[in-house]
Amino acid sequence: QKEVEQNSGPLSVPEGAIASLNCTYSDRGSQSFFWYRQYSGKSPELIMFIYSNGDKEDGRFTAQLNKASQYVSLLIRDSQPSDSATYLCAVSFSGGYQKVTFGTGTKLQVIP
Amino acid sequence: GAVVSQHPSWVICKSGTSVKIECRSLDFQATTMFWYRQFPKQSLMLMATSNEGSKATYEQGVEKDKFLINHASLTLSTLTVTSAHPEDSSFYICSAIDGDEQYFGPGTRLTVT
Repeated sequence: QKEVEQNSGPLSVPEGAIASLNCTYSDRGSQSFFWYRQYSGKSPELIMFIYSNGDKEDGRFTAQLNKASQYVSLLIRDSQPSDSATYLCAVSFSGGYQKVTFGTGTKLQVIP
Repeated sequence: GAVVSQHPSWVICKSGTSVKIECRSLDFQATTMFWYRQFPKQSLMLMATSNEGSKATYEQGVEKDKFLINHASLTLSTLTVTSAHPEDSSFYICSAIDGDEQYFGPGTRLTVT
């Protein structure tokens, strides 16, 4: 069974600091990797996706993928209180958005 | 970005009744939509992939006769929970793909009493 593991947290960081969120996955053949942000009681919203090994940056967010270690992370620079949410890691074996498996999420708290 | 709507946003029904949830892509056409379920403090679980004009593809363990999916047009997919039971109480979320991005609907919170 394909699994996606995340530390449930909460991860607390002070405002302005870098938040580092980690995710491991079990299926070595996974092709697509996604990070979503979910506020309490709301549906997820896509932050970014990454397909290739290395780093991908978008504004304050950087996704890092290491397929050899089956590890994907999300860095949030200059964390803001509005970043406080649950961050979901999601992985697709088939590529694209088909058959996406979600982790249980890491709750991030940014302390003003 | 693209907008996906769901209706209703919340619903309470009695055990044994059926509930229909609508998912619409408002400003784009979606040949494929996805239905997820999320229990409190748990992850999203993919229930089924809804394909316009054809039968939905259900994930292992999801009863296709209980969760009826109809994708009759390029902008509308419906999920009907038949003979609902309290254990079906959950947050149901649909999503659709536009270009390279997946857009989620706001979700429907179902409570079965």
